[in-house]
Amino acid sequence: DAKTTQPPSMDCAEGRAANLPCNHSTISGNEYVYWYRQIHSQGPQYIIHGLKNNETNEMASLIITEDRKSSTLILPHATLRDTAVYYCIVRVAGGTYKYIFGTGTRLKVLA
Amino acid sequence: NAGVTQTPKFQVLKTGQSMTLQCAQDMNHEYMSWYRQDPGMGLRLIHYSVGAGITDQGEVPNGYNVSRSTTEDFPLRLLSAAPSQTSVYFCASSPDFLGTEAFFGQGTRLTVV
Repeated sequence: DAKTTQPPSMDCAEGRAANLPCNHSTISGNEYVYWYRQIHSQGPQYIIHGLKNNETNEMASLIITEDRKSSTLILPHATLRDTAVYYCIVRVAGGTYKYIFGTGTRLKVLA
Repeated sequence: NAGVTQTPKFQVLKTGQSMTLQCAQDMNHEYMSWYRQDPGMGLRLIHYSVGAGITDQGEVPNGYNVSRSTTEDFPLRLLSAAPSQTSVYFCASSPDFLGTEAFFGQGTRLTVV
């Protein structure tokens, strides 16, 4: 599975969009990009995933570049409850089942 | 629908003791896994299972055993606890590996003294 690189921390004003970048320059054609978040010390929570097209759900949008070497998670209107560690993961859809987590981005939403 | 349930939530062990961390899911998921998270770090995969009777090692399997006799349960056994195993342990399950999401339990905080 490809390795990901994320900034260690980011701040965002409440009500503004939070844009969290992720580099995955060695991603393979059959690897999906997943985003999870972890609030305090709770279990990670799924946010969104995609292969090559941009994706949107009720929580966030995922923008994947055309070459798939990077992606951005967008929280359109960040709230204080979005303060968490956000993990970008790439994994193969098939073969062995495993997510490899990095250290993520600690997002702090400021009032 | 309880999702993924881990027990206990907290545990203190003495060095050398053994114990089993329980994980159960009621979603009929084939895929289950165990992670540990040390302070300030991401999750590291210990063991995983792709179905009843099938398990495999992850990144940090030493000192841990698993078995998967039923679809619902995936216990993690510490054979002889060491202080280095002080961590928060998370269990996760997923319906299949075809790009679907994983569901995580709320964690077991283990301290080995």
